[in-house]
Amino acid sequence: AQSVAQPEDQVNVAEGNPLTVKCTYSVSGNPYLFWYVQYPNRGLQFLLKYITGDNLVKGSYGFEAEFNKSQTSFHLKKPSALVSDSALYFCAVRTNNAGNMLTFGGGTRLMVKP
Amino acid sequence: SAVISQKPSRDICQRGTSLTIQCQVDSQVTMMFWYRQQPGQSLTLIATANQGSEATYESGFVIDKFPISRPNLTFSTLTVSNMSPEDSSIYLCSVEDSTETNYGYTFGSGTRLTVV
Repeated sequence: AQSVAQPEDQVNVAEGNPLTVKCTYSVSGNPYLFWYVQYPNRGLQFLLKYITGDNLVKGSYGFEAEFNKSQTSFHLKKPSALVSDSALYFCAVRTNNAGNMLTFGGGTRLMVKP
Repeated sequence: SAVISQKPSRDICQRGTSLTIQCQVDSQVTMMFWYRQQPGQSLTLIATANQGSEATYESGFVIDKFPISRPNLTFSTLTVSNMSPEDSSIYLCSVEDSTETNYGYTFGSGTRLTVV
């Protein structure tokens, strides 16, 4: 069965410092991995994805993620955090069965302090 | 990429009543997915709606509580029946969005439901 784990409920970082939001996955077959962000009272926004190709994926708002097959991880990173990055972040993996639905991790709240 | 119009965007409902949420997609899609996001939680898949057949429900969700219609390839509804305060959540629809040059998922803007 497909699953996604985000081991940290909350990540705190100072503005200007690098940030990492962790994600590990379990899926049969090749993984299709996604990161989404949700701001308060806003919809779900797509950040980036890994389907195939380079392990380092660059996305919106300066975020990037590194696909690591041996560690089954897809951690989200940003070199310099902004206070406006404070939000709820979700990692998701596509199930490789008849449904092709997304399975989401539990979410990580990122708090960037000035 | 596909565009989804979801409505209503929010509603406050009395317990024991039902609410129907609509999602309209601007292109034909095979499957539509319905998710629930309880307060402060992640997204949980309720069911997958395939046109021309009954929806497939995930464990913990039943058709009597969350009946789904999928009359054509661009439209679906989710009904939350006999509501209780525990049904207060955000409900989202989603489609798999695949073209020759891009692959991803599109989400509706969500329906924020409060049951009182």
